[in-house]
Formats: sequence, C-alpha cells, structure tokens
Amino acid sequence: AIQMTQSPSSLSASVGDRVTITCRASQGIRNDLGWYQQKPGKAPKLLIYAASSLQSGVPSRFSGSGSGTDFTLTISSLQPEDFATYYCLQDYNYPQTFGQGTKVEIK
Amino acid sequence: QITLKESGPTLVKPTQTLTLTCTFSGFSLSTSGVGVGWIRQPPGKALEWLALIYWDDDKRYSPSLKSRLTITKDTSKNQVVLTMTNMDPVDTATYYCAHRQMGYGYWGQGTLVTVSS
Repeated sequence: AIQMTQSPSSLSASVGDRVTITCRASQGIRNDLGWYQQKPGKAPKLLIYAASSLQSGVPSRFSGSGSGTDFTLTISSLQPEDFATYYCLQDYNYPQTFGQGTKVEIK
Repeated sequence: QITLKESGPTLVKPTQTLTLTCTFSGFSLSTSGVGVGWIRQPPGKALEWLALIYWDDDKRYSPSLKSRLTITKDTSKNQVVLTMTNMDPVDTATYYCAHRQMGYGYWGQGTLVTVSS
C-alpha cells in the first residue's frame, strides 16, 4: 500500500497567517490526491481534488499543488473557521490511503 | 442535492457481524463513474479507508480487512451495505459513507459503532 506522510502533524498559527501543509507519497501517484478538512465531531469535507482543483464552494484562500510524490495544501490567509484537522488522501490505486492528519490550532 | 446517511447498530459484541447501511439521495449509483465508499475513524485517530463500490459493481477493499468486509449495492433502493465480520474492540470507530466521483465530495454524518461485551 502507498504510504502518505503528512507534515507537520500539528501547527499553531494566527488568523491571517499563511499556512502550508505537505503530504509525501511513498511512490508516485501522478496528481491523484485530495485534501480534506475535518472539524471535531463532523464528517470530513473535500477541499481540493486532483491535487490542485478547488472543490465547488470552497474559499479561494485554499489551494493545492504538486504531482508525483510531493504535494502541498496552502491556506493563504488563515481564518477562524479554518482551525481544524486536514488530511490528504491518495486515490491513485487501492487501497486508497490517508495521511495521518495535520491539526491546525490557534496560536 | 446529494445526501448520504449511515444506519446500523451503535453497539456490537466481539465476534459479531456488523451490518451498516448507507442510504443516499440526489444521485444514482448506476451513473457511470460514480462510487460509494466507506471510511472509518477510531476515536481520536486518523481516517481509514475501508471499501468502495462503483456503478458497474466493481468492488475494492482494504487488503488488511478484505477477509472480513463485504460491500454491496441496491440501486433500486439507493443503498450501499457494508458488512464486517468478527468484530473486535479495535473496530470501535465512527463509520462514514461517502459519494465518490472527483474525490469524496459528499459524506454522511457518520455513525459511531462501539464494540464491547
């Protein structure tokens, strides 16, 4: 199975900060990667699919980049509602695999 | 709009079989390219992908759980059913079903299943 390694596992940031989360795949996955946001007690929400495509209704401060093995989720200006845990998911092959998550906390 | 909802027991005993039903609306599982997947999350832990069924009845499973999982669909009822045999306390988790087309764009609210005697 492809392993997805996210970093950092957690970070503290302030409102207005630029935040970057990375995900590295153990082998090349083209651009078959999505990013999900999860708030406590809620289902995950798709932010980005195909590595860089913004899901409908998601604010433009979220962006994704990368291909092959290295991927990045960027929040250009962190808002109060963005404090959550973020996961990457590769759907290049089966089993689909999630990263271990990155918790974004208030500084 | 697309909605999904998981249903099933909240408490199962060790060794029992868990049956979860995902009832959805707003899409058809006979539409090309569409799938419904199951993902779980133990309390305080990361998401884990379990299984996926496509419009053409192609089925995919997590290899670590494949011997215990079965996924089926009933297109006429707009339902997908996941069964997991030989439940163990480590299977305690919130179980989600989700619509897949370009990523998992729509999720159910999740159902917490506790495995305990």
